[in-house]
Amino acid sequence: ETGVTQTPRHLVMGMTNKKSLKCEQHLGHNAMYWYKQSAKKPLELMFVYSLEERVENNSVPSRFSPECPNSSHLFLHLHTLQPEDSALYLCASSQDIGLTYNEQFFGPGTRLTVL
Amino acid sequence: QKEVEQNSGPLSVPEGAIASLNCTYSDRGSQSFFWYRQYSGKSPELIMFIYSNGDKEDGRFTAQLNKASQYVSLLIRDSQPSDSATYLCAVNTYNTDKLIFGTGTRLQVFP
Repeated sequence: ETGVTQTPRHLVMGMTNKKSLKCEQHLGHNAMYWYKQSAKKPLELMFVYSLEERVENNSVPSRFSPECPNSSHLFLHLHTLQPEDSALYLCASSQDIGLTYNEQFFGPGTRLTVL
Repeated sequence: QKEVEQNSGPLSVPEGAIASLNCTYSDRGSQSFFWYRQYSGKSPELIMFIYSNGDKEDGRFTAQLNKASQYVSLLIRDSQPSDSATYLCAVNTYNTDKLIFGTGTRLQVFP
């Protein structure tokens, strides 16, 4: 595997379900990110982790719970979601944080549908 | 005012023409500017970045930055149908980890 991978690629869940999204980066990066992409809206940053420590939590509802067990893996735990949470969830990684030039590499995304 | 603004398009250009994509930003402290390309159903991929005023060229792509006027543009020369995608402008401020994205401009290159 190369780059940034995400599983599952598609997920349909009910409002009472609990599920998790997984992201893995094979680039040796120290920083990882979760973004939400909804139709007609800009990419929204949700969480930033640097060396397994959360450095940014962008006013995200508590029904989204991130976990970063090590610098290569990032999870997004989902519970009691709402239909408006349906979106493409993108994971990204970058060499580090606090860099002037901070190229972020994106995974393929998980298309989430909440019924 | 939106932090990063782009015309949503679609911008339609004939094959072989120059496509010009524009982006304005509101934070004067912004330091780095990125252009990502996103094909339908795919994730964004970086095609250019710039952080100094002026032009930066890479193959058929030229990024132009004007910090005084707070705009950044992307020119695509000799446009190809394979360039048809949504182009996302992203901006970050020095020493923060927040990339602020625009909504993207959809480019259509017709044969």
